[in-house]
Amino acid sequence: EPEVTQTPSHQVTQMGQEVILRCVPISNHLYFYWYRQILGQKVEFLVSFYNNEISEKSEIFDDQFSVERPDGSNFTLKIRSTKLEDSAMYFCASSVRATNEKLFFGSGTQLSVL
Amino acid sequence: AQSVTQLDSQVPVFEEAPVELRCNYSSSVSVYLFWYVQYPNQGLQLLLKYLSGSTLVKGINGFEAEFNKSQTSFHLRKPSVHISDTAEYFCAVRRTSYDKVIFGPGTSLSVIP
Repeated sequence: EPEVTQTPSHQVTQMGQEVILRCVPISNHLYFYWYRQILGQKVEFLVSFYNNEISEKSEIFDDQFSVERPDGSNFTLKIRSTKLEDSAMYFCASSVRATNEKLFFGSGTQLSVL
Repeated sequence: AQSVTQLDSQVPVFEEAPVELRCNYSSSVSVYLFWYVQYPNQGLQLLLKYLSGSTLVKGINGFEAEFNKSQTSFHLRKPSVHISDTAEYFCAVRRTSYDKVIFGPGTSLSVIP
């Protein structure tokens, strides 16, 4: 089965630093998502992206966050100035446009902000 | 807006015993329903889904779930659990094929030898 890949699997950064989390969605998928899961908490929606635009974003996705699909294959999440509370597992997901209702999730990037 | 409730945050169960993980949702429109599993230190894996048709859906690893529209529930069941079923289970809804998935808070299933 095709997979969504995320790199790195773990990222440690200092508070205030910028981080970029990378995802390679499945090649024929057109809808892309970022979710996060703070340790011990629920999986939360951050943003959805389609046709090179943000389709929807949650209240978590403030001005410190941005997403980009720079080259037609990668899908990135940037946090400009990380805060301690940004520490979480970040999941990328993608979905094909059509009748396929399934979201394919990557294995996640564990971000630790020190 | 859609929301998902999982009443049990933790469910301990002995190996080979049956288990039911409860899920209730609220939505003003029709939704797709899902159960995802997250094994320790891993990502999210789809267990099963309900889109339409038969209200009893079967998934991987012997799990099944029943959609009950009148009770707005989508409970997950397995007749005999194994140690390897120890994981976090998330119920989720999705309004349309192209919409975001909303997750419930999760239920931690612990299978006791």
